[in-house]
Amino acid sequence: GENVEQHPSTLSVQEGDSAVIKCTYSDSASNYFPWYKQELGKGPQLIIDIRSNVGEKKDQRIAVTLNKTAKHFSLHITETQPEDSAVYFCAASKRSGGKLIFGQGTELSVKP
Amino acid sequence: EAQVTQNPRYLITVTGKKLTVTCSQNMNHEYMSWYRQDPGLGLRQIYYSMNVEVTDKGDVPEGYKVSRKEKRNFPLILESPSPNQTSLYFCASSFLARDEQFFGPGTRLTVL
Repeated sequence: GENVEQHPSTLSVQEGDSAVIKCTYSDSASNYFPWYKQELGKGPQLIIDIRSNVGEKKDQRIAVTLNKTAKHFSLHITETQPEDSAVYFCAASKRSGGKLIFGQGTELSVKP
Repeated sequence: EAQVTQNPRYLITVTGKKLTVTCSQNMNHEYMSWYRQDPGLGLRQIYYSMNVEVTDKGDVPEGYKVSRKEKRNFPLILESPSPNQTSLYFCASSFLARDEQFFGPGTRLTVL
């Protein structure tokens, strides 16, 4: 069935460094890829998303890249700050229907 | 304030005792969805609804029921809860299926 694999499960970086989280998906029909951030005790919140007609999207310190041939996409956070510490989830869905498949999550810790 | 609300926030119950977790949104969203979150497994979709009276199974629908009689409400029903349904549950809504989803604060359920 449809599957999204996310790595690493935990990531620790120093403040100011970059962080990269990678996801692969199994269903080649997937064409919408959102990233969600979940802070402790809260529900996930969308931080950026990308659709299959573009290869890269950037929003200030956050960028997402998509490689449809290899079926993987990545989240890049530059100049990390302590407030970036959270759990990050990637997800994938197809053009039709309402199914959204999430990855297992990455716990990012940014040390001051 | 635009929001998704869930009730109750915390619930401890016993095996076999029917329960309902309510979800309500005030953003006039067409799409609503239920997820469960378990350590190491990320978010898994239980059921979703593209519009009133339209519901469909997600990845882990066994043991759950939903209904969408009106646009703002999407209750999750556990007819006969079992310990393996102990989890953190999130309701989410969006204008359409592939738009940003807004998550509720979560319901932590323990089934003894």
